[in-house]
Amino acid sequence: ELKVEQNPLFLSMQEGKNYTIYCNYSTTSDRLYWYRQDPGKSLESLFVLLSNGAVKQEGRLMASLDTKARLSTLHITAAVHDLSATYFCAVVGRGKLIFGQGTELSVKP
Amino acid sequence: GAGVSQTPSNKVTEKGKYVELRCDPISGHTALYWYRQSLGQGPEFLIYFQGTGAADDSGLPNDRFFAVRPEGSVSTLKIQRTERGDSAVYLCASSSGQSSYNEQFFGPGTRLTVL
Repeated sequence: ELKVEQNPLFLSMQEGKNYTIYCNYSTTSDRLYWYRQDPGKSLESLFVLLSNGAVKQEGRLMASLDTKARLSTLHITAAVHDLSATYFCAVVGRGKLIFGQGTELSVKP
Repeated sequence: GAGVSQTPSNKVTEKGKYVELRCDPISGHTALYWYRQSLGQGPEFLIYFQGTGAADDSGLPNDRFFAVRPEGSVSTLKIQRTERGDSAVYLCASSSGQSSYNEQFFGPGTRLTVL
Protein backbone atom coordinates (compact mmCIF):
# COMPACT_ATOMS: atom_id res chain seq x y z
CA GLU A 1 0.00 0.00 0.00
CA LEU A 2 1.37 3.37 -1.00
CA LYS A 3 1.78 5.75 1.92
CA VAL A 4 2.89 9.34 1.88
CA GLU A 5 4.27 11.11 4.93
CA GLN A 6 5.11 14.75 5.36
CA ASN A 7 7.10 16.46 8.02
CA PRO A 8 6.84 18.64 9.81
CA LEU A 9 3.06 18.81 10.12
CA PHE A 10 3.23 22.33 11.51
CA LEU A 11 5.84 24.96 10.81
CA SER A 12 5.97 28.40 12.32
CA MET A 13 8.29 30.48 10.19
CA GLN A 14 9.90 33.84 10.69
CA GLU A 15 9.84 36.27 7.81
CA GLY A 16 13.04 36.27 5.84
CA LYS A 17 14.27 32.85 6.94
CA ASN A 18 14.59 29.61 4.95
CA TYR A 19 12.75 26.37 5.64
CA THR A 20 12.27 22.90 4.13
CA ILE A 21 9.29 20.53 4.09
CA TYR A 22 9.91 16.83 3.50
CA CYS A 23 7.69 14.33 1.73
CA ASN A 24 8.48 10.61 1.91
CA TYR A 25 6.55 7.91 0.07
CA SER A 26 6.64 4.17 0.52
CA THR A 27 6.62 2.60 -2.96
CA THR A 28 7.87 3.46 -6.40
CA SER A 29 6.24 6.35 -8.19
CA ASP A 30 7.67 8.65 -10.82
CA ARG A 31 5.27 11.53 -10.47
CA LEU A 32 4.84 13.77 -7.48
CA TYR A 33 2.72 16.87 -6.99
CA TRP A 34 2.85 19.73 -4.55
CA TYR A 35 -0.35 21.61 -3.77
CA ARG A 36 -1.19 24.65 -1.72
CA GLN A 37 -4.47 24.97 0.16
CA ASP A 38 -5.68 28.18 1.81
CA PRO A 39 -8.27 27.88 4.61
CA GLY A 40 -11.68 27.02 3.20
CA LYS A 41 -10.34 26.80 -0.33
CA SER A 42 -9.56 24.03 -2.75
CA LEU A 43 -6.17 22.76 -3.88
CA GLU A 44 -3.92 24.88 -6.02
CA SER A 45 -1.31 22.99 -8.02
CA LEU A 46 2.22 24.29 -7.42
CA PHE A 47 4.59 21.78 -8.99
CA VAL A 48 4.60 18.51 -10.91
CA LEU A 49 7.85 16.57 -10.59
CA LEU A 50 8.24 13.89 -13.23
CA SER A 51 11.63 12.28 -12.90
CA ASN A 52 14.52 11.60 -10.60
CA GLY A 53 16.51 14.73 -9.96
CA ALA A 54 13.76 17.04 -11.15
CA VAL A 55 13.88 20.51 -9.67
CA LYS A 56 11.31 23.24 -10.19
CA GLN A 57 11.20 26.76 -8.84
CA GLU A 58 8.50 29.38 -8.65
CA GLY A 59 9.20 32.54 -6.73
CA ARG A 60 10.32 31.67 -3.19
CA LEU A 61 9.40 27.99 -3.53
CA MET A 62 11.62 25.26 -4.95
CA ALA A 63 10.69 21.59 -5.17
CA SER A 64 12.92 18.62 -5.88
CA LEU A 65 12.45 14.89 -6.33
CA ASP A 66 14.73 11.96 -5.51
CA THR A 67 12.95 8.82 -6.69
CA LYS A 68 15.66 6.52 -5.38
CA ALA A 69 15.24 7.84 -1.86
CA ARG A 70 11.48 8.24 -2.40
CA LEU A 71 11.79 11.77 -1.12
CA SER A 72 10.67 15.17 -2.26
CA THR A 73 11.50 18.47 -0.62
CA LEU A 74 9.81 21.84 -0.80
CA HIS A 75 12.25 24.59 0.06
CA ILE A 76 11.09 28.03 1.09
CA THR A 77 13.47 30.92 0.65
CA ALA A 78 13.07 34.12 2.69
CA ALA A 79 9.56 33.34 3.93
CA VAL A 80 6.89 36.02 3.60
CA HIS A 81 3.40 36.19 5.10
CA ASP A 82 1.73 35.40 1.77
CA LEU A 83 3.13 31.87 1.97
CA SER A 84 1.00 31.02 5.03
CA ALA A 85 -1.17 28.05 3.98
CA THR A 86 -1.23 24.26 4.14
CA TYR A 87 0.98 22.43 1.66
CA PHE A 88 0.34 18.89 0.48
CA CYS A 89 2.46 16.51 -1.50
CA ALA A 90 0.74 13.76 -3.46
CA VAL A 91 2.00 10.75 -5.34
CA VAL A 92 0.28 8.86 -8.16
CA GLY A 93 -0.49 5.32 -7.16
CA ARG A 94 -2.70 2.93 -9.17
CA GLY A 95 -4.38 5.73 -11.03
CA LYS A 96 -5.16 7.96 -8.09
CA LEU A 97 -3.46 10.57 -6.00
CA ILE A 98 -2.28 9.56 -2.54
CA PHE A 99 -1.83 12.62 -0.36
CA GLY A 100 0.34 13.34 2.61
CA GLN A 101 -1.17 14.71 5.80
CA GLY A 102 -0.27 18.26 4.90
CA THR A 103 2.11 20.77 6.43
CA GLU A 104 0.53 23.88 7.91
CA LEU A 105 2.82 26.85 7.47
CA SER A 106 2.46 30.06 9.42
CA VAL A 107 4.72 33.01 8.74
CA LYS A 108 5.17 35.47 11.56
CA PRO A 109 6.76 38.89 11.24
CA GLY B 1 -12.37 28.39 -19.81
CA ALA B 2 -14.30 27.36 -16.74
CA GLY B 3 -12.71 25.14 -14.16
CA VAL B 4 -14.24 22.30 -12.19
CA SER B 5 -17.40 23.39 -10.42
CA GLN B 6 -19.20 21.73 -7.54
CA THR B 7 -22.62 22.30 -6.06
CA PRO B 8 -23.72 22.98 -3.47
CA SER B 9 -20.77 24.67 -1.82
CA ASN B 10 -22.19 23.85 1.59
CA LYS B 11 -24.69 21.23 2.64
CA VAL B 12 -26.06 20.76 6.14
CA THR B 13 -28.19 17.70 6.73
CA GLU B 14 -29.47 15.59 9.56
CA LYS B 15 -28.24 12.16 10.46
CA GLY B 16 -30.03 9.51 8.42
CA LYS B 17 -30.88 11.75 5.47
CA TYR B 18 -29.90 11.25 1.84
CA VAL B 19 -27.65 13.77 0.04
CA GLU B 20 -26.43 14.31 -3.50
CA LEU B 21 -23.30 16.25 -4.38
CA ARG B 22 -22.71 17.40 -7.95
CA CYS B 23 -19.52 17.88 -9.93
CA ASP B 24 -19.14 19.56 -13.33
CA PRO B 25 -15.71 18.75 -14.75
CA ILE B 26 -13.69 20.82 -17.17
CA SER B 27 -15.23 20.49 -20.61
CA GLY B 28 -13.68 17.63 -22.55
CA HIS B 29 -12.04 15.97 -19.57
CA THR B 30 -12.72 12.27 -19.68
CA ALA B 31 -11.47 11.36 -16.22
CA LEU B 32 -13.26 12.43 -13.04
CA TYR B 33 -12.26 11.79 -9.43
CA TRP B 34 -13.94 12.18 -6.07
CA TYR B 35 -11.94 12.71 -2.89
CA ARG B 36 -12.96 13.30 0.71
CA GLN B 37 -11.03 15.61 2.99
CA SER B 38 -11.66 15.43 6.71
CA LEU B 39 -10.65 18.30 8.96
CA GLY B 40 -6.89 18.56 9.28
CA GLN B 41 -6.21 15.72 6.85
CA GLY B 42 -5.14 15.32 3.26
CA PRO B 43 -7.73 14.35 0.64
CA GLU B 44 -8.53 10.64 0.41
CA PHE B 45 -9.51 8.96 -2.82
CA LEU B 46 -13.08 7.71 -3.18
CA ILE B 47 -13.79 6.84 -6.81
CA TYR B 48 -12.48 7.43 -10.33
CA PHE B 49 -14.47 7.52 -13.59
CA GLN B 50 -13.08 7.13 -17.06
CA GLY B 51 -15.94 8.23 -19.29
CA THR B 52 -19.20 6.84 -17.94
CA GLY B 53 -17.78 3.89 -16.07
CA ALA B 54 -16.25 3.69 -12.63
CA ALA B 55 -12.69 2.54 -13.26
CA ASP B 56 -11.84 2.31 -9.56
CA ASP B 57 -14.28 2.59 -6.65
CA SER B 58 -11.98 1.07 -4.06
CA GLY B 59 -12.03 4.19 -1.90
CA LEU B 60 -15.76 4.26 -1.25
CA PRO B 61 -16.00 3.58 2.50
CA ASN B 62 -19.17 1.47 2.43
CA ASP B 63 -22.32 0.77 0.43
CA ARG B 64 -23.98 3.96 1.61
CA PHE B 65 -21.79 5.79 -0.89
CA PHE B 66 -22.48 5.64 -4.59
CA ALA B 67 -21.48 7.78 -7.57
CA VAL B 68 -22.68 8.02 -11.16
CA ARG B 69 -21.60 9.73 -14.33
CA PRO B 70 -24.30 8.70 -16.83
CA GLU B 71 -23.24 10.82 -19.80
CA GLY B 72 -19.53 10.97 -19.17
CA SER B 73 -19.57 14.56 -18.01
CA VAL B 74 -21.39 15.63 -14.82
CA SER B 75 -21.05 13.29 -11.85
CA THR B 76 -23.16 12.92 -8.74
CA LEU B 77 -21.93 11.49 -5.46
CA LYS B 78 -24.80 10.05 -3.47
CA ILE B 79 -24.72 9.30 0.24
CA GLN B 80 -27.53 7.37 1.87
CA ARG B 81 -28.41 7.32 5.57
CA THR B 82 -25.80 9.94 6.37
CA GLU B 83 -23.80 9.64 9.56
CA ARG B 84 -21.97 12.31 11.55
CA GLY B 85 -18.69 10.75 10.46
CA ASP B 86 -19.52 11.59 6.85
CA SER B 87 -18.96 15.28 7.63
CA ALA B 88 -16.08 16.45 5.47
CA VAL B 89 -15.23 18.43 2.36
CA TYR B 90 -15.89 16.43 -0.78
CA LEU B 91 -13.56 17.39 -3.61
CA CYS B 92 -13.98 16.61 -7.27
CA ALA B 93 -11.18 16.68 -9.81
CA SER B 94 -10.97 16.08 -13.54
CA SER B 95 -8.20 15.36 -16.00
CA SER B 96 -7.82 14.96 -19.74
CA GLY B 97 -6.86 11.76 -21.50
CA GLN B 98 -6.89 8.23 -20.23
CA SER B 99 -3.56 8.16 -18.47
CA SER B 100 -3.70 8.21 -14.72
CA TYR B 101 -0.69 10.47 -14.84
CA ASN B 102 -2.51 13.38 -16.42
CA GLU B 103 -2.70 16.29 -14.01
CA GLN B 104 -5.90 16.54 -12.01
CA PHE B 105 -7.62 19.89 -11.59
CA PHE B 106 -9.65 20.31 -8.43
CA GLY B 107 -12.97 21.99 -7.83
CA PRO B 108 -13.77 24.18 -4.82
CA GLY B 109 -15.37 21.33 -2.90
CA THR B 110 -18.66 20.75 -1.11
CA ARG B 111 -18.56 21.06 2.66
CA LEU B 112 -20.96 18.47 4.08
CA THR B 113 -22.07 18.76 7.69
CA VAL B 114 -24.17 15.99 9.19
CA LEU B 115 -25.87 17.04 12.43
